[in-house]
Amino acid sequence: NAGVTQTPKFQVLKTGQSMTLQCAQDMNHNSMYWYRQDPGMGLRLIYYSASEGTTDKGEVPNGYNVSRLNKREFSLRLESAAPSQTSVYFCASSVIQANQETQYFGPGTRLLVL
Amino acid sequence: AQKITQTQPGMFVQEKEAVTLDCTYDTSDPSYGLFWYKQPSSGEMIFLIYQGSYDQQNATEGRYSLNFQKARKSANLVISASQLGDSAMYFCAMREGRTSYDKVIFGPGTSLSVIP
Repeated sequence: NAGVTQTPKFQVLKTGQSMTLQCAQDMNHNSMYWYRQDPGMGLRLIYYSASEGTTDKGEVPNGYNVSRLNKREFSLRLESAAPSQTSVYFCASSVIQANQETQYFGPGTRLLVL
Repeated sequence: AQKITQTQPGMFVQEKEAVTLDCTYDTSDPSYGLFWYKQPSSGEMIFLIYQGSYDQQNATEGRYSLNFQKARKSANLVISASQLGDSAMYFCAMREGRTSYDKVIFGPGTSLSVIP
């Protein structure tokens, strides 16, 4: 049981380049999330997915697209990277069991856009 | 408007003492959930404790307890018997709505330093 995994761990892009951040969870959770964390700040929600095939915008969706092709995987795509997208990106999944909700995070992807 | 407020950007506590980290929230939804997370310098996010809006009792998890005051819309985290390993950023978060289909919003965080 690996929990939530993210690839890559680190990435350097040039302005205008594109890339996809991958996220997978093996806990059979319906809900998955993408957050970004800028230095000295809390997490901000980019997109979330309530279930396979559905996605919704969070607080800061501009410049990103997501894809939830199956229950396990939720990817985040930067079509044309900008320096303002330099951040640490966290993927998470969550579950509610017996009225107790728990959110599990991946280790994060550190992205630098030059 | 700020949904989650953490007014203490930085806190210090003596080892073995208890410490309270403040969190206030704003919602008009009667159904919501409150979370606390720890982020050590290594960067990972660690789930600590959860409180549902309908829970009658304060949540506890080992040395962590959540002081839930619904009328005041506060959800303070209490760490008892602080340890050096508790030094980290602590984030309060809220999910509005009944199911995890709804968004989870984070506060700005409090940096806790435990002094030997």
